[in-house]
Amino acid sequence: AQSVTQLGSHVSVSEGALVLLRCNYSSSVPPYLFWYVQYPNQGLQLLLKYTSAATLVKGINGFEAEFKKSETSFHLTKPSAHMSDAAEYFCAVTPRTYKYIFGTGTRLKVLA
Amino acid sequence: NAGVTQTPKFQVLKTGQSMTLQCAQDMNHNSMYWYRQDPGMGLRLIYYSASEGTTDKGEVPNGYNVSRLNKREFSLRLESAAPSQTSVYFCATTTGANEKLFFGSGTQLSVL
Repeated sequence: AQSVTQLGSHVSVSEGALVLLRCNYSSSVPPYLFWYVQYPNQGLQLLLKYTSAATLVKGINGFEAEFKKSETSFHLTKPSAHMSDAAEYFCAVTPRTYKYIFGTGTRLKVLA
Repeated sequence: NAGVTQTPKFQVLKTGQSMTLQCAQDMNHNSMYWYRQDPGMGLRLIYYSASEGTTDKGEVPNGYNVSRLNKREFSLRLESAAPSQTSVYFCATTTGANEKLFFGSGTQLSVL
């Protein structure tokens, strides 16, 4: 069965500091992986998507993620946090089917 | 273009009441989904419809039914609401397997 684990339900960083949000996946077939962001009282928006074309994926708002098959990881990073990055972030996997499985989410807090 | 429209935005039910959550999309997407979001549990898939005329169970289908009325509309019905169904419900759509999901703004449901 496919699954996603996000380590850390809450992460706090100072403005300007590195953002690292962790995601590990389990999939019996090469997966497609996604990161979504959710701002308060809104639906989810796509940040980036891994499709096997490249292991380092660049997304919107300066975020990127690296696919590491040996570690079954797809961690999300941003070199310098902005106050506007405060939101909840979700990692998701689809094992090349119509089902999308989401992690439990990580709420990012950016401190001034 | 409205994208993915969910109605209602808020609803309060008493235990045992029934209701239908509506989702409509004007994106000409083939696949539609219903998720529920609960604190600390991320998004869990209730039902999905890969294409018009088909529906399949997700991770947590018990207590729900769905109807893919046409290509644009996918409704979620609670026949006898229970307090455990208090949640935020999201409808999502995509063009096909492995593509990004587009989300509605959600329906906040409370069952007393």
